[in-house]
Amino acid sequence: AQKITQTQPGMFVQEKEAVTLDCTYDTSDQSYGLFWYKQPSSGEMIFLIYQGSYDEQNATEGRYSLNFQKARKSANLVISASQLGDSAMYFCAMREGEEYGNKLVFGAGTILRVKS
Amino acid sequence: DGGITQSPKYLFRKEGQNVTLSCEQNLNHDAMYWYRQDPGQGLRLIYYSQIVNDFQKGDIAEGYSVSREKKESFPLTVTSAQKNPTAFYLCASSTVLSGSDEQFFGPGTRLTVL
Repeated sequence: AQKITQTQPGMFVQEKEAVTLDCTYDTSDQSYGLFWYKQPSSGEMIFLIYQGSYDEQNATEGRYSLNFQKARKSANLVISASQLGDSAMYFCAMREGEEYGNKLVFGAGTILRVKS
Repeated sequence: DGGITQSPKYLFRKEGQNVTLSCEQNLNHDAMYWYRQDPGQGLRLIYYSQIVNDFQKGDIAEGYSVSREKKESFPLTVTSAQKNPTAFYLCASSTVLSGSDEQFFGPGTRLTVL
């Protein structure tokens, strides 16, 4: 079974509008962490935001926020005021449990295109 | 500047040849990782190491080998046993602690087997 599911292969958003990228996860662990990374066409992976399973508040980092719904096992990324430079591939990833160290499992990704 | 370097950026090899991809970090991280990415796909873990002289197989280790003789270095060898080695390879490092510590990634090596 897929541990991380990103159901949107591609998304378009108008510049300056907000966009939500979906991510659902599957784990039986109580302690886990969720990460979002951005991958521009150059290929490097850029860390955006982190949400721990015990965090009560949704994580925010500048224009990025994470809509964490634990009961639904979803961790959607919200990008506000989209910019042309936000066009990239976005990956959701999960770290399971304490005993797994910092090993991550990645989703298949969502390509975001920002239109001017 | 602290970071992760991977070399070369592009690599071409003939089928049947072994090839070694370099990964070096100066972030003083204990853990290092190798991922493979195919076009339009997510990252899949090949090998990881949490301490010098120790490493574990990831989800797709067959046809690959690694070594971890120094904390800063984690080279990946793509052997002739790897059936479809053409892909984008990413190296990462992190602290071994869990929590919010993210993995830092190198710029990647694009391997093409002719």
